[in-house]
Amino acid sequence: NAGVTQTPKFRILKIGQSMTLQCAQDMNHNYMYWYRQDPGMGLKLIYYSVGAGITDKGEVPNGYNVSRSTTEDFPLRLELAAPSQTSVYFCASSYASGGARETQYFGPGTRLLVL
Amino acid sequence: GIQVEQSPPDLILQEGANSTLRCNFSDSVNNLQWFHQNPWGQLINLFYIPSGTKQNGRLSATTVATERYSLLYISSSQTTDSGVYFCAVDGNAGGTSYGKLTFGQGTILTVHP
Repeated sequence: NAGVTQTPKFRILKIGQSMTLQCAQDMNHNYMYWYRQDPGMGLKLIYYSVGAGITDKGEVPNGYNVSRSTTEDFPLRLELAAPSQTSVYFCASSYASGGARETQYFGPGTRLLVL
Repeated sequence: GIQVEQSPPDLILQEGANSTLRCNFSDSVNNLQWFHQNPWGQLINLFYIPSGTKQNGRLSATTVATERYSLLYISSSQTTDSGVYFCAVDGNAGGTSYGKLTFGQGTILTVHP
């Protein structure tokens, strides 16, 4: 299986434009996440989802929206892009049942430049 | 929220040397993972280790949950080990954490031939 896939790999946006970053997983994971990584820093959580139709904010949600209509897909929407959203975006997924947690797997990332 | 501190921030080694990376966290955790981010930016899972000791080839990790730290050992380092090593924790502050990871700032490892 492909694991976690993300598209596009790289994108340049102009200030004020909008776009959707795509994320899909084929591991039947119920939990999915979006993180961003700024240069020289660790990753920070933007949004997460514990199942289809259920999403919630992470540490840095401003300027982003998400939806989860299927188990497999978790797109991230940027509205009115700003230079502060220049970053690398990682999608991740994991399986959880009851109190048990498993390894979180990461996609290859989308590099976004807002000019 | 939970705080994660990694040390050292930078480490330069000669090929063949051993090293120890440390991760301290400020609260009890449900999950702790070590990642290697290679020079191409890819995040590679190394260990899922909320407690105990695990080994995988030249790498091993130990988490002492009661003392709130984890160690990553790299033996006989190779140039391909270069990159950034991240520790990330799923904190448990008395509620359900939903697997949300808090990352440390990373340790930049450079291995010279």
